[in-house]
Amino acid sequence: QKEVEQDPGPLSVPEGAIVSLNCTYSNSAFQYFMWYRQYSRKGPELLMYTYSSGNKEDGRFTAQVDKSSKYISLFIRDSQPSDSATYLCAMSGGSNYKLTFGKGTLLTVNP
Amino acid sequence: GAVVSQHPSWVICKSGTSVKIECRSLDFQATTMFWYRQFPKQSLMLMATSNEGSKATYEQGVEKDKFLINHASLTLSTLTVTSAHPEDSSFYICSAPGVPTSYEQYFGPGTRLTVT
Repeated sequence: QKEVEQDPGPLSVPEGAIVSLNCTYSNSAFQYFMWYRQYSRKGPELLMYTYSSGNKEDGRFTAQVDKSSKYISLFIRDSQPSDSATYLCAMSGGSNYKLTFGKGTLLTVNP
Repeated sequence: GAVVSQHPSWVICKSGTSVKIECRSLDFQATTMFWYRQFPKQSLMLMATSNEGSKATYEQGVEKDKFLINHASLTLSTLTVTSAHPEDSSFYICSAPGVPTSYEQYFGPGTRLTVT
């Protein structure tokens, strides 16, 4: 079993839709959870950063962490064509600050 | 957020030659930087942790003599791919924590290496 599982998609939605992206993990030591957005041939851009369980909202983006289920989610409201990208979940928990990434989900928002 | 730059953004080299990639933190100091490799349509794979003033820590399966890392200052880490082969062709990305004890990592724009 991989440490972090993420459905690679692809996921295609119409503009304005609510998008739900998810990751599951197996390592109980993970305490820090991040979502990155990566456009083609670019470096990942940090979108959301959460610690432990709970919700965090930033504009159209909401991150949720459920440590009891080892499940994290990213919701995008009112999706825009500019949101089309690969979304990567990442998590960490050790003192070495290493990140473990999911495979990434390719999202396309159609105008 | 913190800004990380990489140079070059794209490089083509011949098989057997060496290539150096630079990673710089532009508006903050980074005692630790991370180097990743990403193959097409795949996720990021951590190669090594670069530590200012000490040796890099390599992940299992990464050849330290092939991928030389030097953390020359608090704002610069370099990755040198030695005796490059076509299978080394990939997208190399570095990252750094915004503050030394933070888990929030900021990534550079990446360097695309093509070995012919």
